[in-house]
Amino acid sequence: SQQGEEDPQALSIQEGENATMNCSYKTSINNLQWYRQNSGRGLVHLILIRSNEREKHSGRLRVTLDTSKKSSSLLITASRAADTASYFCATDEAGGSQGNLIFGKGTKLSVKP
Amino acid sequence: KAGVTQTPRYLIKTRGQQVTLSCSPISGHRSVSWYQQTPGQGLQFLFEYFSETQRNKGNFPGRFSGRQFSNSRSEMNVSTLELGDSALYLCASSLRYTVGVVETQYFGPGTRLLVL
Repeated sequence: SQQGEEDPQALSIQEGENATMNCSYKTSINNLQWYRQNSGRGLVHLILIRSNEREKHSGRLRVTLDTSKKSSSLLITASRAADTASYFCATDEAGGSQGNLIFGKGTKLSVKP
Repeated sequence: KAGVTQTPRYLIKTRGQQVTLSCSPISGHRSVSWYQQTPGQGLQFLFEYFSETQRNKGNFPGRFSGRQFSNSRSEMNVSTLELGDSALYLCASSLRYTVGVVETQYFGPGTRLLVL
């Protein structure tokens, strides 16, 4: 079952602009991760934010987490054509013994040169 | 370190056949998870193995099975293939130190299975 829901489903921007993607989830979590997938290939881990963190940066990426609203956002600044990909948020349920991530359906980002 | 590798990368099978997919995790990673990705259902968890034991299983029929070897390499098997099994099968490895907490997962390139 889907835990995270990304919004928007698709986003088209020009190179140099910022891209913001949102993710909502349903249960309490240990951490939330963002992954990127290029055209049906494997997923690449971007960033992990723990439930007791509110914001994290990695290069041009900025992730926020609001556990009270059960939501997260991923901001990509100064986007490049190479950022064109699908972006997924993934969570693991706190308190469970499940050792798996639950993924949203993703946001398809298109960056036009 | 070498990344996660999966073989084969592409596979075409017919209904009723069975298939075995292979995954080699990053050296030192003992946890291997399998996911199925389809356009309709998205990414769905199949199972996770840690130290040769299946720790968790997703909501898939018994036709889907897997195993892990002592060197952490893993295989998954799908028997009696159905058209709906056409998908990208992704393997991921991780260092899992704490029960119930999923750390960063490193994904392989996937095996694309087409069932005709």
